[in-house]
Amino acid sequence: EVELVESGGGLAQPGGSLRLSCAASGFTFSSYEMNWVRQAPGKGLEWVAYISGGGNVYYSDSVKGRFTISRDNAKNSLYLQMNSLRVEDTAVYYCARAPYITRAFDIWGQGTMVTVSS
Amino acid sequence: SYELTQPPSVSVSPGQTASITCSGDKLGDKYCYWYQQRPGQSPVLVIYQDSKRPSGIPERFSGSNSGNTATLTISGTQAMDEADYYCQAWDSSTVVFGGGTKLTVL
Repeated sequence: EVELVESGGGLAQPGGSLRLSCAASGFTFSSYEMNWVRQAPGKGLEWVAYISGGGNVYYSDSVKGRFTISRDNAKNSLYLQMNSLRVEDTAVYYCARAPYITRAFDIWGQGTMVTVSS
Repeated sequence: SYELTQPPSVSVSPGQTASITCSGDKLGDKYCYWYQQRPGQSPVLVIYQDSKRPSGIPERFSGSNSGNTATLTISGTQAMDEADYYCQAWDSSTVVFGGGTKLTVL
């Protein structure tokens, strides 16, 4: 079964750090583009970051310079290092798979909640 | 930065056709994707590359994209289709989501 499972969410103080992980199973992880998408409470979807199978990365302007996306193809894992956290980073964070040929976010994880508060 | 605009809400009677629009500058020159999100659940891809349906998505879901507007059409809408719907496109190296449309089936 194709599955993505996020972990690492929790409570952080403004200015603090968290590292999210996304464990992939049931498919050849290295062959897919991967993304992080977040959703603030009661709000819409917001794209956060992208990484290709080979490690090319892109970020939204709202997180550029503060967040770092990475992957370990040997461990079938995706990561999001979040530094200098702000209250407005509070959201459910989803990892999502995207096949190169369609670029559609065809598989999503269940999400992990990040709360930034003092 | 590129923006996608959706109506905040659309209402439809059961069995009727629902249309949800997504507008963006020259959106027809890009591929548009649509996601369904039921309350408390993760998003699900329902249309990719403007008009293609992933396996497992009912035939009543269809899509089109031309000019500045993409449209998600749900024919014979069922109560289970009540959800939030988001359009999405790639703009150069970034991903853009529309603000979402709440579909109410009443």
